[in-house]
Amino acid sequence: GAGVSQTPSNKVTEKGKYVELRCDPISGHTALYWYRQSLGQGPEFLIYFQGTGAADDSGLPNDRFFAVRPEGSVSTLKIQRTERGDSAVYLCASSLGPSNEQYFGPGTRLTVT
Amino acid sequence: EDQVTQSPEALRLQEGESSSLNCSYTVSGLRGLFWYRQDPGKGPEFLFTLYSAGEEKEKERLKATLTKKESFLHITAPKPEDSATYLCAVQAVNNAGNMLTFGGGTRLMVKP
Repeated sequence: GAGVSQTPSNKVTEKGKYVELRCDPISGHTALYWYRQSLGQGPEFLIYFQGTGAADDSGLPNDRFFAVRPEGSVSTLKIQRTERGDSAVYLCASSLGPSNEQYFGPGTRLTVT
Repeated sequence: EDQVTQSPEALRLQEGESSSLNCSYTVSGLRGLFWYRQDPGKGPEFLFTLYSAGEEKEKERLKATLTKKESFLHITAPKPEDSATYLCAVQAVNNAGNMLTFGGGTRLMVKP
């Protein structure tokens, strides 16, 4: 079946602009996660959704970052007033339930110039 | 705070030369330890989950083992297509977010 999909695959934006990154999880997966991966490092947790609600957003670095999952399926990660330090690969993962293995999408490479 | 350290950072092997990758962890109650493979430009691909010390899992040339403080990923007679970054992650019992805490990865290169 179809895996986790993310769009766009690449996004280049200017410092100060607003961006939205989209994640389409595996059908039927109730848990959805966002991670951020810098070059040469492992992914770092940003936020976790169980259904429509954000169950844990402790990994969001500051209030410029926000994510939604209004219907319990597709999720959007929103970044306001982007900074060069936001440049990274943003990964989305989903799992059948919170204790199951997480399946990752291909990521969105964000470059802030 | 949960921590995961992987070693070595990079490993070069000749085709057929078996070796092991190490993942050391500290966690406030382990729910699960996960191994992923990541190819350049792609997302991590799930390999194994281990839940308790002494557990082992195998898939083709890979075998993962778990103790109370570390996990090993053993690669037997590797082939060039096994070249990738291997990531280890832990999920803690007391973790409301069910998030994974990752190590920095081991970059494996297998030469023909």
